[in-house]
Amino acid sequence: QSALTQPASVSGSPGQSITISCTGTSSDVGGYNYVSWYQQHPGKAPKLMIYDVSNRPSGVSNRFSGSKSGNTASLTISGLQAEDESDYYCTSYTSSSTLAVFGGGTKLTVL
Amino acid sequence: QVQLQESGPGLVKPSETLSLTCTVSGGSISSYYWGWIRQPPGKGLEWIGYIYYSGSTNYNPSLKSRVTISVDSSKNQFSLKLSSVTAADTAVYYCARGLGVRGLGVTTFDYWGQGTLVTVSS
Repeated sequence: QSALTQPASVSGSPGQSITISCTGTSSDVGGYNYVSWYQQHPGKAPKLMIYDVSNRPSGVSNRFSGSKSGNTASLTISGLQAEDESDYYCTSYTSSSTLAVFGGGTKLTVL
Repeated sequence: QVQLQESGPGLVKPSETLSLTCTVSGGSISSYYWGWIRQPPGKGLEWIGYIYYSGSTNYNPSLKSRVTISVDSSKNQFSLKLSSVTAADTAVYYCARGLGVRGLGVTTFDYWGQGTLVTVSS
């Protein structure tokens, strides 16, 4: 069982917006602004999409945005495109001894 | 553009030691954290540990007794050794560059290698 809780799957139609949630505790998501989101296509390495809750690395589309409220972080993808179909993982710094925590991953299907 | 490339055996026997090397190109290994993450087939991601370029390390407690991460700045490489492996250690192993905060450690990984599948089997 993963330390951070993500929905197993979400779906949306092209052009729509979707949001993926990532719920932790006050020891990780709620306690630090160090939540990251990764996109992983099948057979490929994870790609950093959001870091420090809401910052986008250079080259990442502004259709991707991140936010946090309490112990829950969220990744929103607007103007959904077929190429966004992928697995998405959240991770957070944690004050516990586990080094860091990952979510279990969410499979995004573009209908 | 920073690039990372994992190398090492794709097959390791149970009870033996898994050894992987990550070669960094397009940038210096100095002033960053360098980490290892793994992903069992069909499953999620798991942090193994990381090393600062100066040599200080931090390991996942669940693997700490079996893990050693080291760095060779002269070769722009860092390495992973995982001892006493079992079938549960079968996974794709990724190396990655870490960004961090002094006093906290790594907060995210921004560049990743393509990953290498290591199978533990006799």
